[in-house]
Amino acid sequence: NAGVTQTPKFQVLKTGQSMTLQCAQDMNHNSMYWYRQDPGMGLRLIYYSASEGTTDKGEVPNGYNVSRLNKREFSLRLESAAPSQTSVYFCASSEVSPYGYTFGSGTRLTVV
Amino acid sequence: GENVEQHPSTLSVQEGDSAVIKCTYSDSASNYFPWYKQELGKRPQLIIDIRSNVGEKKDQRIAVTLNKTAKHFSLHITETQPEDSAVYFCAASIPGNQFYFGTGTSLTVIP
Repeated sequence: NAGVTQTPKFQVLKTGQSMTLQCAQDMNHNSMYWYRQDPGMGLRLIYYSASEGTTDKGEVPNGYNVSRLNKREFSLRLESAAPSQTSVYFCASSEVSPYGYTFGSGTRLTVV
Repeated sequence: GENVEQHPSTLSVQEGDSAVIKCTYSDSASNYFPWYKQELGKRPQLIIDIRSNVGEKKDQRIAVTLNKTAKHFSLHITETQPEDSAVYFCAASIPGNQFYFGTGTSLTVIP
């Protein structure tokens, strides 16, 4: 039972490049989330999916898009990366929003 | 939306002493208050949570108290140990909604 799996763990992008962060959970959870973590800013919600087939914006959605591919998978896409998107990205899931969050191990993204 | 403030941002205590971290929230509709511990380079992990129908909850050396009237809640760690050193985050949530996290407290326990 892997819980929440994120790939990749590390990534370096050049400004303007695009990429997709992958997240999969094997706990049959309904809700999934993407957060970014920056020093002194805590964890800020980018997008979330309360259930399969739905997605909603969080606090800081600009520059990102998401896809809830199925109940297990929730991906985050950066269409044109900017240095301000340098951060650690965490995916999380919960059976019932907002209880029982389980976080993935994170993706450290650097945009140069 | 909800606004969660957390203090202090850094805290150093001697091993065996107690540590207290405080958070305030703005939306009286919030009813779920979890605390997460994040060790360096690791993912945040839930250590304790409290719901608004409870004033205090304890789990071994950690406890959380909630004052709904004042809209604040606190994490108490007693008999601190070096392995308690980490960043601690509080959060608040409204029913059916997402978490709003505090900015974190970096706790250092000095042996």
